Amino acid sequence: QKEVEQDPGPLSVPEGAIVSLNCTYSNSAFQYFMWYRQYSRKGPELLMYTYSSGNKEDGRFTAQVDKSSKYISLFIRDSQPSDSATYLCAIAAGNKLTFGGGTRVLVKP
Amino acid sequence: ETGVTQSPTHLIKTRGQQVTLRCSSQSGHNTVSWYQQALGQGPQFIFQYYREEENGRGNFPPRFSGLQFPNYSSELNVNALELDDSALYLCASSSPPQGNPEAFFGQGTRLTVV
Repeated sequence: QKEVEQDPGPLSVPEGAIVSLNCTYSNSAFQYFMWYRQYSRKGPELLMYTYSSGNKEDGRFTAQVDKSSKYISLFIRDSQPSDSATYLCAIAAGNKLTFGGGTRVLVKP
Repeated sequence: ETGVTQSPTHLIKTRGQQVTLRCSSQSGHNTVSWYQQALGQGPQFIFQYYREEENGRGNFPPRFSGLQFPNYSSELNVNALELDDSALYLCASSSPPQGNPEAFFGQGTRLTVV
Protein backbone atom coordinates (compact mmCIF):
# COMPACT_ATOMS: atom_id res chain seq x y z
CA GLN A 1 0.00 0.00 0.00
CA LYS A 2 1.32 3.42 -0.96
CA GLU A 3 1.68 5.99 1.82
CA VAL A 4 -0.37 8.52 -0.16
CA GLU A 5 -3.10 7.45 -2.56
CA GLN A 6 -4.64 9.71 -5.19
CA ASP A 7 -7.09 8.93 -7.98
CA PRO A 8 -5.22 9.45 -11.30
CA GLY A 9 -8.29 10.68 -13.20
CA PRO A 10 -8.57 12.18 -15.70
CA LEU A 11 -11.25 14.42 -14.28
CA SER A 12 -13.12 16.41 -16.92
CA VAL A 13 -15.41 19.28 -15.90
CA PRO A 14 -17.10 22.18 -17.73
CA GLU A 15 -15.81 25.70 -17.18
CA GLY A 16 -17.28 27.25 -14.04
CA ALA A 17 -17.83 23.94 -12.26
CA ILE A 18 -16.33 23.01 -8.90
CA VAL A 19 -13.36 20.66 -9.11
CA SER A 20 -13.08 18.22 -6.20
CA LEU A 21 -9.80 16.39 -5.61
CA ASN A 22 -8.81 14.12 -2.75
CA CYS A 23 -6.10 11.95 -1.29
CA THR A 24 -5.84 9.42 1.49
CA TYR A 25 -2.76 8.74 3.54
CA SER A 26 -1.65 6.08 5.97
CA ASN A 27 1.06 7.60 8.19
CA SER A 28 -0.20 9.46 11.26
CA ALA A 29 3.22 11.11 11.65
CA PHE A 30 2.62 13.35 8.65
CA GLN A 31 2.73 16.99 9.71
CA TYR A 32 1.83 19.21 6.76
CA PHE A 33 -0.62 18.69 3.93
CA MET A 34 0.12 20.38 0.64
CA TRP A 35 -1.28 20.76 -2.84
CA TYR A 36 0.81 21.34 -5.93
CA ARG A 37 -0.23 22.07 -9.50
CA GLN A 38 1.90 20.79 -12.36
CA TYR A 39 1.49 21.85 -15.96
CA SER A 40 2.81 19.61 -18.70
CA ARG A 41 6.61 19.63 -18.90
CA LYS A 42 6.91 21.94 -15.89
CA GLY A 43 7.89 21.55 -12.26
CA PRO A 44 5.23 21.41 -9.53
CA GLU A 45 3.97 24.76 -8.24
CA LEU A 46 2.89 25.06 -4.60
CA LEU A 47 -0.77 26.12 -4.32
CA MET A 48 -1.30 25.97 -0.58
CA TYR A 49 -0.61 23.98 2.55
CA THR A 50 -2.11 23.42 5.97
CA TYR A 51 -1.19 21.49 9.08
CA SER A 52 -4.41 21.15 11.01
CA SER A 53 -7.77 19.54 10.47
CA GLY A 54 -10.38 21.84 8.97
CA ASN A 55 -10.60 24.15 5.98
CA LYS A 56 -8.22 26.72 4.57
CA GLU A 57 -9.20 29.09 1.77
CA ASP A 58 -7.06 30.97 -0.71
CA GLY A 59 -9.02 32.68 -3.45
CA ARG A 60 -10.80 30.04 -5.52
CA PHE A 61 -9.00 27.22 -3.72
CA THR A 62 -10.07 25.48 -0.49
CA ALA A 63 -7.98 22.80 1.18
CA GLN A 64 -9.65 20.48 3.63
CA VAL A 65 -7.98 18.06 6.05
CA ASP A 66 -9.62 15.34 8.15
CA LYS A 67 -6.89 13.80 10.27
CA SER A 68 -9.23 11.31 11.93
CA SER A 69 -10.02 9.78 8.52
CA LYS A 70 -6.56 10.48 7.02
CA TYR A 71 -8.27 12.25 4.14
CA ILE A 72 -7.37 15.51 2.42
CA SER A 73 -9.24 17.42 -0.27
CA LEU A 74 -8.81 20.36 -2.60
CA PHE A 75 -11.75 22.23 -4.08
CA ILE A 76 -11.43 24.66 -6.97
CA ARG A 77 -14.39 27.00 -7.43
CA ASP A 78 -15.35 28.66 -10.71
CA SER A 79 -12.89 26.48 -12.63
CA GLN A 80 -11.18 27.95 -15.68
CA PRO A 81 -9.53 26.28 -18.69
CA SER A 82 -6.22 27.55 -17.29
CA ASP A 83 -6.80 25.26 -14.27
CA SER A 84 -6.26 22.26 -16.59
CA ALA A 85 -3.21 20.55 -15.11
CA THR A 86 -2.14 17.67 -12.89
CA TYR A 87 -2.79 18.25 -9.20
CA LEU A 88 -0.50 16.56 -6.72
CA CYS A 89 -1.16 16.16 -3.03
CA ALA A 90 1.97 15.99 -0.92
CA ILE A 91 2.44 15.30 2.74
CA ALA A 92 5.43 16.52 4.67
CA ALA A 93 7.07 14.75 7.56
CA GLY A 94 10.54 15.71 8.68
CA ASN A 95 12.63 16.64 5.71
CA LYS A 96 10.79 15.10 2.81
CA LEU A 97 7.58 15.31 0.85
CA THR A 98 5.62 12.18 0.01
CA PHE A 99 3.48 12.69 -3.06
CA GLY A 100 0.37 11.08 -4.38
CA GLY A 101 0.41 9.98 -8.00
CA GLY A 102 -1.43 13.09 -9.20
CA THR A 103 -4.88 13.69 -10.67
CA ARG A 104 -5.12 15.05 -14.21
CA VAL A 105 -7.83 17.71 -14.51
CA LEU A 106 -9.29 19.02 -17.75
CA VAL A 107 -11.58 22.08 -17.65
CA LYS A 108 -13.49 22.37 -20.91
CA PRO A 109 -14.58 25.82 -22.19
CA GLU B 1 14.36 37.14 -6.09
CA THR B 2 15.38 34.39 -8.50
CA GLY B 3 13.59 31.06 -8.58
CA VAL B 4 14.98 27.54 -8.72
CA THR B 5 16.83 26.84 -11.94
CA GLN B 6 17.96 23.47 -13.27
CA SER B 7 20.28 22.49 -16.09
CA PRO B 8 20.20 20.99 -18.58
CA THR B 9 16.49 20.88 -19.43
CA HIS B 10 16.80 17.71 -21.48
CA LEU B 11 19.44 15.12 -22.13
CA ILE B 12 19.82 11.67 -23.59
CA LYS B 13 22.30 9.17 -22.23
CA THR B 14 23.22 5.59 -23.00
CA ARG B 15 22.74 2.78 -20.51
CA GLY B 16 25.84 2.41 -18.32
CA GLN B 17 26.91 6.05 -18.65
CA GLN B 18 27.10 8.61 -15.86
CA VAL B 19 25.18 11.89 -15.66
CA THR B 20 25.38 15.08 -13.60
CA LEU B 21 22.38 17.35 -13.14
CA ARG B 22 22.62 20.83 -11.65
CA CYS B 23 20.36 23.02 -9.54
CA SER B 24 20.58 26.59 -8.31
CA SER B 25 18.42 27.17 -5.27
CA GLN B 26 16.10 30.09 -4.74
CA SER B 27 17.74 33.13 -3.19
CA GLY B 28 17.91 32.79 0.61
CA HIS B 29 17.23 29.04 0.61
CA ASN B 30 19.88 26.78 2.17
CA THR B 31 18.20 23.40 1.65
CA VAL B 32 17.96 21.49 -1.62
CA SER B 33 16.01 18.29 -2.22
CA TRP B 34 16.01 16.08 -5.30
CA TYR B 35 13.06 14.10 -6.61
CA GLN B 36 12.56 11.62 -9.43
CA GLN B 37 9.27 11.73 -11.31
CA ALA B 38 8.54 8.86 -13.67
CA LEU B 39 5.97 9.44 -16.41
CA GLY B 40 2.45 9.50 -14.97
CA GLN B 41 3.68 9.22 -11.37
CA GLY B 42 4.17 11.60 -8.49
CA PRO B 43 7.69 12.74 -7.56
CA GLN B 44 9.72 10.42 -5.32
CA PHE B 45 12.22 11.75 -2.78
CA ILE B 46 15.85 10.92 -3.59
CA PHE B 47 17.74 12.92 -0.95
CA GLN B 48 18.12 16.31 0.68
CA TYR B 49 21.16 18.50 1.31
CA TYR B 50 21.38 21.08 4.08
CA ARG B 51 24.52 23.16 4.62
CA GLU B 52 26.52 20.87 2.31
CA GLU B 53 25.61 17.66 4.18
CA GLU B 54 23.18 14.93 3.18
CA ASN B 55 20.13 15.32 5.41
CA GLY B 56 17.96 12.33 4.59
CA ARG B 57 17.69 9.86 1.76
CA GLY B 58 14.86 8.00 0.08
CA ASN B 59 14.84 4.47 -1.25
CA PHE B 60 17.43 4.96 -3.99
CA PRO B 61 20.64 2.96 -4.53
CA PRO B 62 24.11 4.41 -3.81
CA ARG B 63 24.72 5.07 -7.51
CA PHE B 64 22.54 8.14 -6.91
CA SER B 65 24.75 10.67 -5.15
CA GLY B 66 24.81 14.39 -4.63
CA LEU B 67 26.69 17.46 -3.57
CA GLN B 68 25.81 20.85 -2.22
CA PHE B 69 28.16 23.80 -2.62
CA PRO B 70 28.79 26.77 -0.28
CA ASN B 71 26.44 28.92 -2.39
CA TYR B 72 23.74 26.24 -1.78
CA SER B 73 23.60 25.11 -5.38
CA SER B 74 23.57 21.35 -5.82
CA GLU B 75 24.39 18.49 -8.14
CA LEU B 76 22.77 15.10 -8.59
CA ASN B 77 25.03 12.39 -10.00
CA VAL B 78 23.80 9.07 -11.30
CA ASN B 79 26.29 6.34 -12.20
CA ALA B 80 25.77 3.22 -14.28
CA LEU B 81 22.56 4.51 -15.82
CA GLU B 82 19.71 2.07 -16.29
CA LEU B 83 16.73 2.34 -18.62
CA ASP B 84 14.43 2.79 -15.58
CA ASP B 85 16.33 5.94 -14.65
CA SER B 86 14.51 7.71 -17.48
CA ALA B 87 12.41 10.33 -15.70
CA LEU B 88 11.97 13.99 -14.87
CA TYR B 89 14.44 14.96 -12.15
CA LEU B 90 13.22 17.79 -9.96
CA CYS B 91 15.13 19.99 -7.59
CA ALA B 92 13.32 21.81 -4.77
CA SER B 93 14.72 24.47 -2.48
CA SER B 94 13.47 25.44 0.95
CA SER B 95 14.62 27.04 4.17
CA PRO B 96 15.04 25.79 6.86
CA PRO B 97 14.87 21.99 6.44
CA GLN B 98 12.27 21.47 9.14
CA GLY B 99 9.48 23.61 10.48
CA ASN B 100 8.69 25.21 7.13
CA PRO B 101 7.29 22.78 4.58
CA GLU B 102 7.28 25.19 1.63
CA ALA B 103 9.43 23.73 -1.11
CA PHE B 104 9.77 25.44 -4.47
CA PHE B 105 10.55 23.36 -7.52
CA GLY B 106 12.56 24.02 -10.62
CA GLN B 107 11.30 23.12 -14.08
CA GLY B 108 13.13 19.81 -13.99
CA THR B 109 15.62 17.94 -16.16
CA ARG B 110 14.14 15.32 -18.41
CA LEU B 111 16.59 12.41 -18.66
CA THR B 112 16.17 9.73 -21.29
CA VAL B 113 18.32 6.61 -21.05
CA VAL B 114 18.56 4.55 -24.23
